[in-house]
Amino acid sequence: GEDVEQSLFLSVREGDSSVINCTYTDSSSTYLYWYKQEPGAGLQLLTYIFSNMDMKQDQRLTVLLNKKDKHLSLRIADTQTGDSAIYFCAESTGGFKTIFGAGTRLFVKA
Amino acid sequence: DVKVTQSSRYLVKRTGEKVFLECVQDMDHENMFWYRQDPGLGLRLIYFSYDVKMKEKGDIPEGYSVSREKKERFSLILESASTNQTSMYLCASSRPLTGAPGTDTQYFGPGTRLTVL
Repeated sequence: GEDVEQSLFLSVREGDSSVINCTYTDSSSTYLYWYKQEPGAGLQLLTYIFSNMDMKQDQRLTVLLNKKDKHLSLRIADTQTGDSAIYFCAESTGGFKTIFGAGTRLFVKA
Repeated sequence: DVKVTQSSRYLVKRTGEKVFLECVQDMDHENMFWYRQDPGLGLRLIYFSYDVKMKEKGDIPEGYSVSREKKERFSLILESASTNQTSMYLCASSRPLTGAPGTDTQYFGPGTRLTVL
């Protein structure tokens, strides 16, 4: 069935780049998303990429999509302590449902 | 900006109680969703609704029901709360990203942390 997998934890130093990886199984996915969840809050849409794109850049965020390997990554340049949060990868597979990964907790050391 | 609100941030209930979680969105979205979030399991879909009075089961509907009497409001009901329903509950609504099916972007409320004793 449909599945989205990501590692549960990532730790980086302030100022370094963070790379959060995600793999998905459904090759018919239309859009892939990255959401950010800060402590005690709901999920906030960070960025998305259409499945016919390889890369999308938005300020400090770079999304890379390897459709052949079904691999999605989110790179955060110059990571700050305010970037500490849980990052969810998600895919839209058609219909109304979106499938979410378990979330990667990013910890930024000052 | 889309605003999705949930009736409570924190809720404590006893086993066997009937629990109502309310969600309201102000952007005229057709689709609304209820998820529960548990550590290490990510988000699991309980129910979703694609129109007023329409509902579909998600991946874990057992022990839950929903109500969508108005477009802006989607309620999650625990008929008889149990301790294994202690969790964070997230509501979301969506509009089509480009209008094509399957491209909806979901906008989330702040969540309700429910504890069942």
